[in-house]
Order: sequence, then structure tokens, then C-alpha cells
Amino acid sequence: AQSVTQLDSQVPVFEEAPVELRCNYSSSVSVYLFWYVQYPNQGLQLLLKYLSGSTLVESINGFEAEFNKSQTSFHLRKPSVHISDTAEYFCAVTHSGGYQKVTFGTGTKLQVIP
Amino acid sequence: KAGVTQTPRYLIKTRGQQVTLSCSPISGHRSVSWYQQTPGQGLQFLFEYFSETQRNKGNFPGRFSGRQFSNSRSEMNVSTLELGDSALYLCASSSGDQGGNQPQHFGDGTRLSIL
Repeated sequence: AQSVTQLDSQVPVFEEAPVELRCNYSSSVSVYLFWYVQYPNQGLQLLLKYLSGSTLVESINGFEAEFNKSQTSFHLRKPSVHISDTAEYFCAVTHSGGYQKVTFGTGTKLQVIP
Repeated sequence: KAGVTQTPRYLIKTRGQQVTLSCSPISGHRSVSWYQQTPGQGLQFLFEYFSETQRNKGNFPGRFSGRQFSNSRSEMNVSTLELGDSALYLCASSSGDQGGNQPQHFGDGTRLSIL
């Protein structure tokens, strides 16, 4: 069985400061990893994904995440946050080769302080 | 391409009633998954349908059921509503092909309030 841990339920950060949202997973097989973002009163939107290849993946709005197999982590980072980044972020994992069953973390609320 | 559409957006019911929520996936997507989101429990997987068959199921009581139609549209039904069923119910669609590497596309959810 696979699982995802997001240790930080809330992360306050000042505008233009860097941020890291932590995600650790456990799985006995190869995995695919995703970060989703949820803005208030909306569903989740895909932010970025790791399927294979380069371990560093980037989104169009400046976020990046690095797949670290030895540490079983997929932390999300942004060098300079904006007020509009205030949202809840979910890490998710599926295992390769099987049917779609996604396991989500409990979410991290990012609050950007002006 | 139209996104995932969930109806209704808001719903108020009383204990003991039943409710049906609807989800129209992205055109061409054959997999539809349902999630319950609450402040205390986070995002919990209910079930997934693929080509009209339930393919995966979470740990929810039998009061929660679903179905998928031949056009991939899906409905979720909750019977004998309890106060604890108050939540945001999210639907997500994907191509559902074996491999697991397709991201899910979410609707904006149905917010269900039980009085």
C-alpha cells in the first residue's frame, strides 16, 4: 500500500520570501508523484508531476519539485512567493503499472503575508 | 475542451434524507473518481468508476454508492444522511488507462450541508 505524508498543515510566509512544502511518500513499487493546488471554493488543479526522467520538475508559475528516491520525498519549492499563491497544496502518489488509484496527502495551507 | 462539471454546486438537506450528486467528466475520459473533503479528515477517496464498472473503493459505509453511465457521466448517492456527511464532494476524471501516470482533473465540487 502507498501513503503520503505532509507534515506541515499550515505554512505562513512573507511575500517575496522562499517557501518549501514538504511531502514524503512510501510505496513498495515505482511511483508517480503529483502536486495539486486548491484555491478557495474550487476543486484541485494539477500544479506539476513527476513521471520519469529528470528528477526536477517545474510548473509554469515558478514552483518546482524534486523527486528524491533515496529520501522518498517530493518537496515543493518556490524562490519568491506572491499573494496569489495563497492556497492549499496537496501532494499525491499513484503507483506505476496499476489502475488509477490516487493517494493524497492531508494538504498544506500556504498563507502568504503581505 | 470543457472541464469537469459537477451539479449542483450547493445543497442543503436534513438528516435521514438521501441525495444524488452528478458529475460530467471531460470528453473522452472514462475514469471518474469521487472524494469527500472535510476540514477534519482532509481528502478521502470514495470510489472510482471506469467504463461503468466500479474499479476501486475507499472505506466508506454502504450508504455511499455510485454509478457510471455509458457516456461516462457519473452519479453519487448518499442515503440516510447524517450530520457528519456535511462536506465538499469532489469529482475527478482521467483517461483511466492502465499505467497510473495520468493526472486527475477535478470539478469545483458540490458543497453538501446537513441540518
